[in-house]
Amino acid sequence: QVQLVESGGGVVQPGRSLRLSCAASGFTFSTYGMHWVRQTPGKGLEWVALILFDGSNKFYADSVKGRFTVSRDNSKNTLYLQMNTLRTEDTAVYYCAYGVDYSNFDYWGQGTLVTVSS
Amino acid sequence: SYELTQPPSVSVSPGQTARITCSRDALPKQYAYWYQQKPGQAPVLVIYKDTERPSGIPERFSGSSSGTTVTLTISGVQAEDEADYYCQSADSSGTYYVFGTGTKVTVL
Repeated sequence: QVQLVESGGGVVQPGRSLRLSCAASGFTFSTYGMHWVRQTPGKGLEWVALILFDGSNKFYADSVKGRFTVSRDNSKNTLYLQMNTLRTEDTAVYYCAYGVDYSNFDYWGQGTLVTVSS
Repeated sequence: SYELTQPPSVSVSPGQTARITCSRDALPKQYAYWYQQKPGQAPVLVIYKDTERPSGIPERFSGSSSGTTVTLTISGVQAEDEADYYCQSADSSGTYYVFGTGTKVTVL
């Protein structure tokens, strides 16, 4: 069955960097676009980034554009999110997710918590 | 920016019908999707492409669309349906995704 396992979360100071990983299994990772979605504690969901199946194109939410970079290694079935110049408002649970097509999110990981605090 | 607006909360007695609306601020060019999220868990897709139900989702969950509003209906609500529900769509480019503000369903 499909498994998405995020890692790399933790506590980081404002202005610093962090890299999240998402290990995928149970499906042909290299044929699907992959997303990052975040959820602020006690608040709603926010889409963060999309990378196409081959990494050829990447799309970002306005709130993270220029600071976050999504990438993937299809040989390792792993998705990444490099987060630079972190802000307190980036504090959230970060989920990796994918959909059968590019319209929605059929499968989700369990998330990893990122806390940006001094 | 593209926005989806939901009521913050809906309360319903067991066995009754809960209706959750999601209003878009523009004519729809993309389908809407609905997710259920229980505390401490990841979201689960319950409706896709406005009206379709994924396998494994109970028949009491249904979706509809009219104009700029999509609606999730839970018929014969059960205690286990108490959760947060989010609608989701995309802008006209199809590569910028938006979630609704979320609705907390309370089963009385």
